Amino acid sequence: NAGVTQTPKFRILKIGQSMTLQCTQDMNHNYMYWYRQDPGMGLKLIYYSVGAGITDKGEVPNGYNVSRSTTEDFPLRLELAAPSQTSVYFCASSPLIRATGGYEQYFGPGTRLTVT
Amino acid sequence: AQSVTQLDSQVPVFEEAPVELRCNYSSSVSVYLFWYVQYPNQGLQLLLKYLSGSTLVKGINGFEAEFNKSQTSFHLRKPSVHISDTAEYFCAVGLFRELVFGTGTRLLVSP
Repeated sequence: NAGVTQTPKFRILKIGQSMTLQCTQDMNHNYMYWYRQDPGMGLKLIYYSVGAGITDKGEVPNGYNVSRSTTEDFPLRLELAAPSQTSVYFCASSPLIRATGGYEQYFGPGTRLTVT
Repeated sequence: AQSVTQLDSQVPVFEEAPVELRCNYSSSVSVYLFWYVQYPNQGLQLLLKYLSGSTLVKGINGFEAEFNKSQTSFHLRKPSVHISDTAEYFCAVGLFRELVFGTGTRLLVSP
């Protein structure tokens, strides 16, 4: 049981390049999330998905896109990389334990992205 | 709207000493509360969670937290820390499908 896996672990991009951060979970969780973590800022939600074919914006979605074609995969796309997107990106997933929430999220190991 | 405040950005402590990491939250409705730990260059791992019931919650690695509704707090405690507890700790409040995280507290344990 691998849990949540992310690739790549590290990446350096030039300004204006594009890339896709991959995220896969094998726990059959409905909910998946993308966060970015910047020093002293905690985690900020970029996008989330409540199931295949359904995605929604989080707190900081500008400059990113997502898709969810399967339960397992939730890739994050950067179209025109900018220095402000230098960050550590975490993917997470969760089951829905009860109708009002109360779930815990399971995190991947992260992708460290530098845009220069 | 929900928010989480972690009052200390960094807490230095000596090995075997007790520690308390503070967390306050604001929410207009009942919430679920979590503490996560992040070791260097790793993802976040759940330490403990409060969903309902007893206000004293025990987690992994000897940590515990107490939910105080009147003070809207969920402080994390450990009676005796180890060097291996050096990490960043995040408090989070959850409602429905989202978690809102605090900015984190770095626990630095020295010999």
